[in-house]
Amino acid sequence: AQSVTQLDSQVPVFEEAPVELRCNYSSSVSVYLFWYVQYPNQGLQLLLKYLSGSTLVKGINGFEAEFNKSQTSFHLRKPSVHISDTAEYFCAVYRFEGSQGNLIFGKGTKLSVKP
Amino acid sequence: DGGITQSPKYLFRKEGQNVTLSCEQNLNHDAMYWYRQDPGQGLRLIYYSQIVNDFQKGDIAEGYSVSREKKESFPLTVTSAQKNPTAFYLCASSRGGRAFFGQGTRLTVV
Repeated sequence: AQSVTQLDSQVPVFEEAPVELRCNYSSSVSVYLFWYVQYPNQGLQLLLKYLSGSTLVKGINGFEAEFNKSQTSFHLRKPSVHISDTAEYFCAVYRFEGSQGNLIFGKGTKLSVKP
Repeated sequence: DGGITQSPKYLFRKEGQNVTLSCEQNLNHDAMYWYRQDPGQGLRLIYYSQIVNDFQKGDIAEGYSVSREKKESFPLTVTSAQKNPTAFYLCASSRGGRAFFGQGTRLTVV
């Protein structure tokens, strides 16, 4: 079975500090990987995606993530966070099933940036 | 504007009543999904549809039903059989893995 594990449910950090949100996945087939952000009472917005090619992907708002196939990880990083980054972040895996696929999410990590 | 629209944003239901949540997209996506979100549990897949007139159960389909009569529309019915329906419901559509989400519907049973 395929799964997505976000290792930290909550991450508190001070403003301007670096942050890493961890994500590991399990899949026996090729996948696409995504990070989404959710602000309170809203839908999810795409931060960045890995489809193929360079393992370091850059997204919006200064976030980046690195795909590590051997460790089956896709950790999200930002070198210096802002108060406005406070939100819940979801890692997701799209697994191919023939010509179609299915999208599975982790349980989310709440990032809380303090002044 | 291209996108995915959920309505209503807030919905109240009495116990024992069925209620239908609307989801419409004009992105021409084949795949559509319904997720339920509860605090600390992430997004759990209720139903998904890869093509018109076809859909599959997700991880928590009991007490829910869907239809996919048109490509643009994927309504979700929360039936009285769903024992704990109060939650935030998110609809999404996707092509090639990238998903676009609606703004969600918060359902409260009173």
